[in-house]
Amino acid sequence: EADIYQTPRYLVIGTGKKITLECSQTMGHDKMYWYQQDPGMELHLIHYSYGVNSTEKGDLSSESTVSRIRTEHFPLTLESARPSHTSQYLCASSETSGRTDTQYFGPGTRLTVL
Amino acid sequence: AQSVTQLDSQVPVFEEAPVELRCNYSSSVSVYLFWYVQYPNQGLQLLLKYLSGSTLVKGINGFEAEFNKSQTSFHLRKPSVHISDTAEYFCAVSGGGSNYKLTFGKGTLLTVNP
Repeated sequence: EADIYQTPRYLVIGTGKKITLECSQTMGHDKMYWYQQDPGMELHLIHYSYGVNSTEKGDLSSESTVSRIRTEHFPLTLESARPSHTSQYLCASSETSGRTDTQYFGPGTRLTVL
Repeated sequence: AQSVTQLDSQVPVFEEAPVELRCNYSSSVSVYLFWYVQYPNQGLQLLLKYLSGSTLVKGINGFEAEFNKSQTSFHLRKPSVHISDTAEYFCAVSGGGSNYKLTFGKGTLLTVNP
């Protein structure tokens, strides 16, 4: 079982502010992910990383950016927050077990942009 | 391409009753299947996974699921639910190998009433 930490858990911020959502894992997993989840909806992958200095955009287009300078750290940044960014953001990391990866999730950050 | 259909968006049951949450998938390659649970204001917790071997998979909290390749299903069951099982349940599929990313269903809200 992975230990995944996300901060802050809740964030209320005004339009136009720059924000960074933090995600850290202590299991040494190479792969990490960011998902966006609106209430009552499925998860949509917005970014993922194979390892240090490797990042890719996911299936859902997002104005956010990510970086992966250290294995354990995968922050997500919004340069100028807008009300349309209001959502829950979930971070995950995965280990390869046999033929596929198993993803483990952090507690999430609920973002509200006013 | 792969997809997941969770046939019921909401399932209300009484405490100590059995429950089945339905999940059907489509995939053009090998499939690996997962069930996650999400309690209010929390991230996703892995309940169980099917990678290979026995088609009946047992997970945490008394849940089990059966992989049925001919019916492309992976239904989740529990013989007797508790109030504490009230949560959102997500079925997910990955293709394995280089196609390791998860595709999620829209989720099923299980509500256990006293």
